Amino acid sequence: QVQLKESGPGLVQPSQTLSLTCTVSGFSLTSNSVHWVRQPPGKGLEWVGAIWSGGSTDYNSALKSRLSISRDTSKSQVFLKMNSLQTEDTAIYFCTRSSWELDFDYWGQGVMVTVSS
Amino acid sequence: DVVMTQTPVSLPVSLGGQASISCRSSQSLVHSNGNTYLHWYLQKPGQSPQLLIYRVSNRFSGVPDRFSGSGSGTDFTLKISRVEPEDLGDYYCLQSTHFPPWTFGGGTKLELK
Repeated sequence: QVQLKESGPGLVQPSQTLSLTCTVSGFSLTSNSVHWVRQPPGKGLEWVGAIWSGGSTDYNSALKSRLSISRDTSKSQVFLKMNSLQTEDTAIYFCTRSSWELDFDYWGQGVMVTVSS
Repeated sequence: DVVMTQTPVSLPVSLGGQASISCRSSQSLVHSNGNTYLHWYLQKPGQSPQLLIYRVSNRFSGVPDRFSGSGSGTDFTLKISRVEPEDLGDYYCLQSTHFPPWTFGGGTKLELK
């Protein structure tokens, strides 16, 4: 069955770099896209960025200068790297799949990232 | 960017009652291919969002028929009939017609009256 699971550090210091991994199973990264969505505590959902089945990427324009999304198809993993973290980046980060037919149909459990010294 | 506006922000309901949530977009969500990419998600407390309705009115696998979606152009509605305890949580609409970015509504909290 389709599964996604995020992993990464729970605490990041301000100005440092966040590195998250989304490990997927039950589908191929070469025929589906994976998106990152984040949710600050008590707030709504914000699209962060995506990597398409062909390997190209799209980023939220407000984050683009600090953000990089890549993947390793052999390991079924998608990576998010965001630098110059600030307290406003504190959020739950989710990865989610989009297929040719459905958008954001399966989600990971999310990983809470706190930016604090 | 397409702005998605959801109302109400909070919706008190009684178990067994009906709920209606509105989602409006700042521009038409009709794609050049004729499809309308407006979807609905439910996020239960402490969980990740789950897809309920895709492309306006299609229920995702396993979603009970108490959930129905309707609308066109810029105005969309999610209706929940015979509300059950497991329906409580935050509801979000998402547009994926005009991307990037993909944009969510601000959310509606369905809670007990």
